[in-house]
Amino acid sequence: DIVLTQSPASLAVSLGQRATISCRASQSVSTSSYSYMHWYQQKPGQPPKLLIKYASNLESGVPARFSGSGSGTDFTLNIHPVEEEDTATYYCQHSWEIPWTFGGGTKLEIK
Amino acid sequence: QVTLKESGPGILQPSQTLSLTCSFSGFSLSTSGMSVGWIRQPSGKGLEWLAHIWWNDDKYYNPALKSRLTISKDTSNNQVFLKIASVVTADTATYYCARITGGNYFDYWGQGTTLTVSS
Repeated sequence: DIVLTQSPASLAVSLGQRATISCRASQSVSTSSYSYMHWYQQKPGQPPKLLIKYASNLESGVPARFSGSGSGTDFTLNIHPVEEEDTATYYCQHSWEIPWTFGGGTKLEIK
Repeated sequence: QVTLKESGPGILQPSQTLSLTCSFSGFSLSTSGMSVGWIRQPSGKGLEWLAHIWWNDDKYYNPALKSRLTISKDTSNNQVFLKIASVVTADTATYYCARITGGNYFDYWGQGTTLTVSS
């Protein structure tokens, strides 16, 4: 199974600053054309919400302050400038092979 | 408007079989490229993909649970089902169903249904 390791496990970012979340895969999840890595946001008591698909493609309706980058085994979710409503846990997920797996999550607090 | 809603028994005793239903609207599982999957999340913990089923009835299971899982669909009634045999306390979690469209990511999620396994 591909293991996704997210870091940090939690972070606190001041309002208006940048939050950077890392997701490292135990093997490459990219081809020359696509990276099979996706990002979700989950607020307490709610289901996850898709933010970014294929590493860097913003899902429709998601604010442009969210961005994704990376390829191969190293991926990053950036949020800038962070807003109060961004308080949530963020997960990466790969779809390179079965089983699809999720990272352990990164809890973001806004100071 | 795409919506999904999970339903289940709420509580089961160990060794019983869990039957979950995902009722959805706003799309059809007869459409090429459509899929519905199941994901679970123990309270306060991370997400675990369980299974998904495609429009053409292709099915994929998490190997760690494959012997206990059965996914099926009723295309006419816009429903997907998941059965988990011989539940144990570790199966206590919130179970979500979610849509997959062509791409291999979950773009719409239900609100989840909670299962407690306890004797």
